[in-house]
Amino acid sequence: EPEVTQTPSHQVTQMGQEVILRCVPISNHLYFYWYRQILGQKVEFLVSFYNNEISEKSEIFDDQFSVERPDGSNFTLKIRSTKLEDSAMYFCASSDRGINYGYTFGSGTRLTVV
Amino acid sequence: AQKVTQAQTEISVVEKEDVTLDCVYETRDTTYYLFWYKQPPSGELVFLIRRNSFDEQNEISGRYSWNFQKSTSSFNFTITASQVVDSAVYFCALSEALFSGYSTLTFGKGTMLLVSP
Repeated sequence: EPEVTQTPSHQVTQMGQEVILRCVPISNHLYFYWYRQILGQKVEFLVSFYNNEISEKSEIFDDQFSVERPDGSNFTLKIRSTKLEDSAMYFCASSDRGINYGYTFGSGTRLTVV
Repeated sequence: AQKVTQAQTEISVVEKEDVTLDCVYETRDTTYYLFWYKQPPSGELVFLIRRNSFDEQNEISGRYSWNFQKSTSSFNFTITASQVVDSAVYFCALSEALFSGYSTLTFGKGTMLLVSP
């Protein structure tokens, strides 16, 4: 079964440092997403990406965040200057032609900012 | 705006008991999708079911069953004869159906299910 792959599974970074979370979506999927889950809380939408541009972003996705699809297979989330409150599980997801055709999550990257 | 409410924060049962997890949703869309995901202690999101708003048939998959009632905006999930391995956080989620494009998921806060031996 096709999978969405996320690396690393766990990353520890110092406050103020830049961090890049990586994802390899399912190869024939067209839509890509990042979601965030602060420990013990619900999963929240961050951003969606289609045709090499952001299609929607939430209030959480401020100027500290950026996304990129650098090489046609990877999909990355960059946090420029991490804060303690960025500590969370970050999930990548991909879907094909919208929600009708399946919506697959990766296993997540746990980001800890110290 | 879309909203998903999972009023049960935590449920504790003993193995072999049946348990129902409640999910109530709000949306102005006439076409939408509902989901259940399981999040075990390892943290990943495991897809359980997707149901579109036109299909109100209840579904059974092994020990799992889902009751979708549009009249009450509910999509409840029942585990029959629960097992210790069912212990996890369960999330209900809602999405509008955009047939030509992307769509985002709105999650509930989750229900933690603890099944003890």
